[in-house]
Amino acid sequence: EDQVTQSPEALRLQEGESSSLNCSYTVSGLRGLFWYRQDPGKGPEFLFTLYSAGEEKEKERLKATLTKKESFLHITAPKPEDSATYLCAVQAPGTASKLTFGTGTRLQVTL
Amino acid sequence: DTEVTQTPKHLVMGMTNKKSLKCEQHMGHRAMYWYKQKAKKPPELMFVYSYEKLSINESVPSRFSPECPNSSLLNLHLHALQPEDSALYLCASSQRTGHATNSPLHFGNGTRLTVT
Repeated sequence: EDQVTQSPEALRLQEGESSSLNCSYTVSGLRGLFWYRQDPGKGPEFLFTLYSAGEEKEKERLKATLTKKESFLHITAPKPEDSATYLCAVQAPGTASKLTFGTGTRLQVTL
Repeated sequence: DTEVTQTPKHLVMGMTNKKSLKCEQHMGHRAMYWYKQKAKKPPELMFVYSYEKLSINESVPSRFSPECPNSSLLNLHLHALQPEDSALYLCASSQRTGHATNSPLHFGNGTRLTVT
């Protein structure tokens, strides 16, 4: 069974304090790993798709990386507006776009 | 603003009521999804439509009835719900679904449903 574990569960950073979120996964053949950001009361907002080990993608202060067992979301010099829950999800072959989500990391960035 | 639009944003209904949730997308996507999300939990898949045909039903109780009138619209009909069905109901779409694809899902902002 596909499994996704995210850590830490919650993270509090000061503005400008860089850090990384972890997503460990177990899947029988990864078709894609997805990162989403979710603000309270809103739907998940798509950030990145990673397909193979070694791949990296960047968007503003966010950088996602992928190995064969885990993915990291690096946040460089975060700002308060980066506060959100970050969700990781994996798709296995033959699952018709069915995603297995992790429980997320709640990030709070303070001034 | 999301490109997947859900209405209403909030809904309160009694256990004997019948109501419907609506979802619309104009991105030309051919796969649409219903997810349920409880507080501080990840989204849980309920249904998948591919080219307007139901392709996945995750053993959802029959009090939830999905409908896909065309490639842009997705409805979720609700009847005789229980208080534990209270949650955020999310609609999503993707370019396509199937074995050879890994299109990202694009979510709407959901309908916050409260069952009294």
